[in-house]
Amino acid sequence: QITLKESGPTLVKSTQTLTLTCTFSGFSLTSTGVGVAWIRQPPGKALEWLALIYWDDSKLYSPSLKSRLTFTRDTSKNEVVLTMTNMDPVDTATYYCARIIAGVYFDTWGQGTLVSVSS
Amino acid sequence: SYVLTQPPSVSVAPAKTARITCGGDNIGSKSVHWYRQKPGQAPVLVIYYDTERPSGIPERFSGSNSGTTATLTISSVEAGDEADYYCQVWDRSDNHRVFGGGTKLTVL
Repeated sequence: QITLKESGPTLVKSTQTLTLTCTFSGFSLTSTGVGVAWIRQPPGKALEWLALIYWDDSKLYSPSLKSRLTFTRDTSKNEVVLTMTNMDPVDTATYYCARIIAGVYFDTWGQGTLVSVSS
Repeated sequence: SYVLTQPPSVSVAPAKTARITCGGDNIGSKSVHWYRQKPGQAPVLVIYYDTERPSGIPERFSGSNSGTTATLTISSVEAGDEADYYCQVWDRSDNHRVFGGGTKLTVL
């Protein structure tokens, strides 16, 4: 069974750095074609793709947020970590991690974690 | 960047057929994937590569893609199908993943 679970703070202040961890099981991030992505969803709004990391450790970031994002992985722990700098209230959202197949579609999602940013 | 356009809402009576569209420039040349999101829950993949259904998704869910419009079709709609539906593509031109704005399906 493939599972992913997000963890991190529920509340951060403006200008602080957000660090989110995605812990997964049932697959290996070293398997060819496999990746893990972060997607967020502000309350009442649409999904927005943020970043993804591939089995070969290559990374890709949303152009609108690229300067603020860093994506790392720990294959021994089956974890990936996303950091987002200079948080703002508009970054308030539920943050999801998901497995991406062939770099194309997201077949399994975590439950999501709501992060609120206070001014 | 590539833009996907979905109608904000679609309403359908039980047992009828719902069609949710996703428009984009020459979207027929891309693979389209669809997700269902019920209130308070994470999205779930319902269609991938235009027409493929993951295991566990009923045959009532089908997809098509041609020209400038991709369509998710849900036949024999049930109350439990009420949810937000999102389309998604891989934009090869800049290697980014793009979601549509979502469509709220209401079962009357």
